[in-house]
Amino acid sequence: GQQVMQIPQYQHVQEGEDFTTYCNSSTTLSNIQWYKQRPGGHPVFLIQLVKSGEVKKQKRLTFQFGEAKKNSSLHITATQTTDVGTYFCAGVSSFGNEKLTFGTGTRLTIIP
Amino acid sequence: DSGVTQTPKHLITATGQRVTLRCSPRSGDLSVYWYQQSLDQGLQFLIQYYNGEERAKGNILERFSAQQFPDLHSELNLSSLELGDSALYFCASSPRYTPKYFGPGTRLTVL
Repeated sequence: GQQVMQIPQYQHVQEGEDFTTYCNSSTTLSNIQWYKQRPGGHPVFLIQLVKSGEVKKQKRLTFQFGEAKKNSSLHITATQTTDVGTYFCAGVSSFGNEKLTFGTGTRLTIIP
Repeated sequence: DSGVTQTPKHLITATGQRVTLRCSPRSGDLSVYWYQQSLDQGLQFLIQYYNGEERAKGNILERFSAQQFPDLHSELNLSSLELGDSALYFCASSPRYTPKYFGPGTRLTVL
């Protein structure tokens, strides 16, 4: 079945440094979504990317969808303590039943 | 606040027991999804309902079952509970086929 992997699994950064997490799918995706889950919280929808090569920005966050629609990335510029949490990508396969498969997640911790 | 509600917030029970988790989707959303998240793990898709009908099934055990009622709320039934069933159970809803809004979750502890 479809698998979605994320790297790194953990990332510790100094406050103010940049952060990037990468997402790779075993199959072509029709779209990809990104979620943030704070410690003890629930996943919160951040964004959806649909088009090949699409780039979207939300303040300090930049999301990118690969040309082949099999990978994606999330880049945070100048991290802040409020960015702490686990970032999940989730992809919908181009084939079949529109099931959303979550990636393994990247846990970001910020060193003040 | 996502608009998705889940009850109860916490549930502590013993092995072999049966529990029911409840989810009310956002107003107007026809799809309900159930996910399981074990400690420090990712989100495992269990099952999806759309307007009362089962639409997709994931890694749901035979001891687990779910349904969506005419008022669109959903219940996830977990029976013959084992220690390994301890996890956070999230419900999500959306207007159509891709989940977007997650509820606060039910934390199940099996002792």
